Amino acid sequence: KQEVTQIPAALSVPEGENLVLNCSFTDSAIYNLQWFRQDPGKGLTSLLLIQSSQREQTSGRLNASLDKSSGRSTLYIAASQPGDSATYLCAPNSGAGSYQLTFGKGTKLSVIP
Amino acid sequence: NAGVTQTPKFQVLKTGQSMTLQCAQDMNHEYMSWYRQDPGMGLRLIHYSVGAGITDQGEVPNGYNVSRSTTEDFPLRLLSAAPSQTSVYFCASTPTAQAKNIQYFGAGTRLSVL
Repeated sequence: KQEVTQIPAALSVPEGENLVLNCSFTDSAIYNLQWFRQDPGKGLTSLLLIQSSQREQTSGRLNASLDKSSGRSTLYIAASQPGDSATYLCAPNSGAGSYQLTFGKGTKLSVIP
Repeated sequence: NAGVTQTPKFQVLKTGQSMTLQCAQDMNHEYMSWYRQDPGMGLRLIHYSVGAGITDQGEVPNGYNVSRSTTEDFPLRLLSAAPSQTSVYFCASTPTAQAKNIQYFGAGTRLSVL
């Protein structure tokens, strides 16, 4: 059974800092991996999706990397802003033909102005 | 563009009551799913559907029923609510069952069972 660990559980940084969120998973036989953002009391928003054949995916100030063989992914946020404050969730997908997402517990990020 | 709409946003039930959580999407997505989110745990898959008339169980299906009579709607039924079903429920959809697509989530239904 796939297990997902996200470290740290919470992170507080001053505005403008670059930061890295970590995700590890136990079963490397994944099809892809998604990073989501969840704001308090809200649903999830997909930020980046990395296919298993990719090493990196970028969107604006966000960069996600994937090392499938070692079961690791990182989300890099450049020049953090207070609006980046949210919980970030990692979800590897173990199903090729259909969704089999396993979610981590998330990293709660606070960016202090 | 409404996306994925969940109703109600909040609900309080007594043990043993039944209710249906509604989920509708206007994007003509084939694949829809229900998750529950509990404090200190990741989201867990309850049921999913790869198209109208087709449903299947996820990781935690006990106590829940689903049906998919149309592409747009995917209701989740609690036949006899239990306190263990107190949770936040999310509905999600994606264009097809192919895993290459991102998922779109609703805003959630917060359910308390007393």
